Amino acid sequence: QVQLQESGPGLVKPSQTLSLTCTVSGGSISSGSYYWSWIRQPAGKGLEWIGRIYTSGSTNYNPSLKSRVTISVDTSKNQFSLKLSSVTAADTAVYYCARGVIPLYYFDYWGQGTLVTVSS
Amino acid sequence: DIQMTQSPSSLSASVGDRVTITCRASQSISSYLNWYQQKPGKAPKLLIYATSSLQSGVPSRFSGSGSGTDFTLTISSLQPEDFATYYCQQSYSTPQVTFGGGTKVEIK
Repeated sequence: QVQLQESGPGLVKPSQTLSLTCTVSGGSISSGSYYWSWIRQPAGKGLEWIGRIYTSGSTNYNPSLKSRVTISVDTSKNQFSLKLSSVTAADTAVYYCARGVIPLYYFDYWGQGTLVTVSS
Repeated sequence: DIQMTQSPSSLSASVGDRVTITCRASQSISSYLNWYQQKPGKAPKLLIYATSSLQSGVPSRFSGSGSGTDFTLTISSLQPEDFATYYCQQSYSTPQVTFGGGTKVEIK
């Protein structure tokens, strides 16, 4: 059974960089059948796609966040990571990592989510 | 961006009711429409992909239909465990996918 688990600081100061890691177990992140993705959800609101990475390291980002987002992959650790720079209170949300199935790009496995609060 | 609009935003229903949730896209998305169920404090769970394909392990009381711009999720007989928020997601404009605003199904 595939499992995804987010990890990282739950509190980030304004203007700093949010950093999260997603550890994948029960399957290889090197599989060519999936995009490894980040999605976030502010409290009481809907879901926003942040970006994705393929096992090759190829990335795509949400244009609204593109200037601040970096997603990377470490196949040796079966992990992928998210960095979001220059954060503000508007970036406070639950952050999910998810597996996107190629080619239809629906998300069949999700991490449990981690709340990141941006506050001084 | 393709905008996804769900209706209603919330509804009240009783156990055993037939429930229908609608999702409308701002432009044609063919059949690239997926549905998720989210319970409080939990991650979304995939129910249906490609408009009408039931994800493994999902009860058959869930079904999806539609094409182009208009789609529906139907729960044929609402069960206590189905009270949750439901989201649609378009994957036509991959990688730039977008989600609907959600429909909260509450107990009447």
